[in-house]
Amino acid sequence: DIQMTQSPSSLSASVGDRVTITCRASQSISSWLAWYQQKPGKAPKLLIYKASSLESGVPSRFSGSGSGTEYTLTISSLQPDDFATYYCQQYHSFTWTFGQGTRVEIK
Amino acid sequence: EVPLLESGGGLVQPGGSLRLSCAASGFTLSSYAMSWVRQAPGKGLEWVSAISGSGSGTYYADSVRGRFTISRDNSKSTLFLQMNSLRAEDTAVYYCAKVNGYDPFGYAMDVWGQGTTVTVSS
Repeated sequence: DIQMTQSPSSLSASVGDRVTITCRASQSISSWLAWYQQKPGKAPKLLIYKASSLESGVPSRFSGSGSGTEYTLTISSLQPDDFATYYCQQYHSFTWTFGQGTRVEIK
Repeated sequence: EVPLLESGGGLVQPGGSLRLSCAASGFTLSSYAMSWVRQAPGKGLEWVSAISGSGSGTYYADSVRGRFTISRDNSKSTLFLQMNSLRAEDTAVYYCAKVNGYDPFGYAMDVWGQGTTVTVSS
């Protein structure tokens, strides 16, 4: 199975900060990567698909980039509503895998 | 209108069985692949299973293969997950999710249900 490693596992940031989360795959996933946001007690929400495509309705402060085995989610200016846990997920292989998650907390 | 509504969760003893359902509304279920994802208490997301739009293709995580069966009834707009030989480590919130394509692969999960809780304990 393809392993997905996210870093950091948690971070503290202030409103207005630029935040970057990295996801590394154990082998090339050819940009078949999605990013999800999850708030406590809620279902995940799709933010980014195909590594860099913004899901409809998602604010433009969210962006994704990367290729091969290295991918990044960037929040250009952190807003109060963005404090949550973020997961990457590969859908390249016949078994999908998620990263372990990155918790974004208020500094 | 809630696009995906899971049901069927509950408390079950180790070794027991449970059948989860996910009722879809607001879109044509047969046009999309579907998936189940679970989340153990305080843990991250774990993909469980996926099924193609027709139901002819089914895919499973190693942790559930041979014990869980995914299926669908497109005429009733419903997705199912039959869970047998349940273990304590299957305890989790189970989410159904719509895959944004007819085949599971090459598409992300764009619509999620609110989840149903499964607890495996004696």
